Amino acid sequence: EAQVTQNPRYLITVTGKKLTVTCSQNMNHEYMSWYRQDPGLGLRQIYYSMNVEVTDKGDVPEGYKVSRKEKRNFPLILESPSPNQTSLYFCASSLSAGEQFFGPGTRLTVL
Amino acid sequence: GNSVTQMEGPVTLSEEAFLTINCTYTATGYPSLFWYVQYPGEGLQLLLKATKADDKGSNKGFEATYRKETTSFHLEKGSVQVSDSAVYFCALSSPNFGNEKLTFGTGTRLTIIP
Repeated sequence: EAQVTQNPRYLITVTGKKLTVTCSQNMNHEYMSWYRQDPGLGLRQIYYSMNVEVTDKGDVPEGYKVSRKEKRNFPLILESPSPNQTSLYFCASSLSAGEQFFGPGTRLTVL
Repeated sequence: GNSVTQMEGPVTLSEEAFLTINCTYTATGYPSLFWYVQYPGEGLQLLLKATKADDKGSNKGFEATYRKETTSFHLEKGSVQVSDSAVYFCALSSPNFGNEKLTFGTGTRLTIIP
């Protein structure tokens, strides 16, 4: 089954404790992206990757890092999480422009 | 820059009512337009899309027409069901140097009551 998976689905952590949210897709897509969803703001792009070893900033990259060492994986790293990073995070992948497949989401709470 | 404005929610309708959710956009170039749906506890799913002016996207009884003259992409359904209760997002994509970023509206929560 074609899918994008994310782990964990739910995470509660404390300020400053490094964490990684994993994302994996089995569709051989070149393009992958991370979004965060906040009430009243819709979804905003954090980082994207056009292919292995090619990543770039989206609209709200501050406080986040990503890597793309393999085509299927695109982890999101919070080196020192802060409460304003409490949000719902979605990973997405795409073969063609615009038609993106989304993961189930990771709800992160930073205390 | 690109932006999407959609109807504020929440919207509550009775089963079998007619649905319209308004969406207008601002974009450079010739964007593709999308409606995504998010069911409770799930990720976003593509509902329908249109890639050029006057195209009509349709799926599961929902329709939307790409209107370049009014920069709109309103979502319609003739007879809604309880199972249509979800959050609906209008979005556009205007690839820029390889970034296929989707620009989303803020979402409209739809609740259908039996």
